[in-house]
Amino acid sequence: AQSVTQLDSQVPVFEEAPVELRCNYSSSVSVYLFWYVQYPNQGLQLLLKYLSGSTLVESINGFEAEFNKSQTSFHLRKPSVHISDTAEYFCAVRKSNTGNQFYFGTGTSLTVIP
Amino acid sequence: SQTIHQWPATLVQPVGSPLSLECTVEGTSNPNLYWYRQAAGRGLQLLFYSVGIGQISSEVPQNLSASRPQDRQFILSSKKLLLSDSGFYLCAWSSYGLEAFFGQGTRLTVV
Repeated sequence: AQSVTQLDSQVPVFEEAPVELRCNYSSSVSVYLFWYVQYPNQGLQLLLKYLSGSTLVESINGFEAEFNKSQTSFHLRKPSVHISDTAEYFCAVRKSNTGNQFYFGTGTSLTVIP
Repeated sequence: SQTIHQWPATLVQPVGSPLSLECTVEGTSNPNLYWYRQAAGRGLQLLFYSVGIGQISSEVPQNLSASRPQDRQFILSSKKLLLSDSGFYLCAWSSYGLEAFFGQGTRLTVV
């Protein structure tokens, strides 16, 4: 079975500071990995994804995540955060062979402080 | 392009009343469809998923049921709501091998 662990439930960070949101997963098979962002009272929006190839993936708004197979991690990073990055962030996994289900972590609430 | 519609956006229902939330997808065929619940301060709990018409898989036993009467329509129902059914319900779709796309959610408050 798959499980996803987001180690930090809340992360406060000052504006323009770097941030890392941690995600670890457990799976006996290869997986696809995703980060989603959720703004208040809205659905989830895909931030970035790892399917195959380069282990470092980037989003259009400056976030990046690196797939580390040996550590079964997919941490999300941004070198300089903005106020508008304040949101809930979810890590998710899906089995890459026959998987239909997505398994989500419990989320990390990122608060950017002016 | 593909779009997903979920309604209503908010709903306040008394305990013991029935529930019907609807989700439809446009611009794709034979999608995988999902219902998630997000309780306050918690992550997303997968309730149901469907890989085709009439095919429903339930992740957890509960007071809810799901149906897929058409290829791109997914309905979440309950015969009698409980207080514990309150939460934020999200519908999503995906095609094999790709990411999930979410609706805007329904905020259900059972009073």
